[in-house]
Amino acid sequence: DGGITQSPKYLFRKEGQNVTLSCEQNLNHDAMYWYRQDPGQGLRLIYYSQIVNDFQKGDIAEGYSVSREKKESFPLTVTSAQKNPTAFYLCASSPQRYGTQYFGPGTRLLVL
Amino acid sequence: QKEVEQNSGPLSVPEGAIASLNCTYSDRGSQSFFWYRQYSGKSPELIMSIYSNGDKEDGRFTAQLNKASQYVSLLIRDSQPSDSATYLCAGQMKTSYDKVIFGPGTSLSVIP
Repeated sequence: DGGITQSPKYLFRKEGQNVTLSCEQNLNHDAMYWYRQDPGQGLRLIYYSQIVNDFQKGDIAEGYSVSREKKESFPLTVTSAQKNPTAFYLCASSPQRYGTQYFGPGTRLLVL
Repeated sequence: QKEVEQNSGPLSVPEGAIASLNCTYSDRGSQSFFWYRQYSGKSPELIMSIYSNGDKEDGRFTAQLNKASQYVSLLIRDSQPSDSATYLCAGQMKTSYDKVIFGPGTSLSVIP
């Protein structure tokens, strides 16, 4: 089946800990995106990548890091510098730079 | 002024009625627009995209774009309780051409 997968579905972070959220797609899409959604809020862009080995900061990149070593994968690390990480994290991909985005199922991050 | 604006709602319509969801955007040069549906606790799913002035129909859904008025709308005919969700409007702005800007979403409730 073609699609976008995110894991884990739920993730718990302890104080001072870095955690990594996985995003994989087998759609052969060039572009990938990470968004954060807080309760009752819209989507805010964290990072995006239009091509392998290249990525750009979005509107709220502080406290997050990404890599794009393979076309299929775009993991997001939530670092200890992100003081309010509790949110719903959504990964999306797009066939080309300016095209329609398709979303994965999301990861819900909670702080212990 | 926010780049993409929507009434947060909630919008309530009776079953079988037409639901009308509206969206305005600030960048006159924007090219592409998207409507997503998001059920509570789930990720957004694409309903349709629209690129040209006028109407675009897909089943019970009609998207309308008026670039002169900087206005996008989504009509849902014969609304069903299963249409109850948050609807996200998104646009590819000329000023940030490699990103899609999402509105805050409108919550729709279809009353049986």
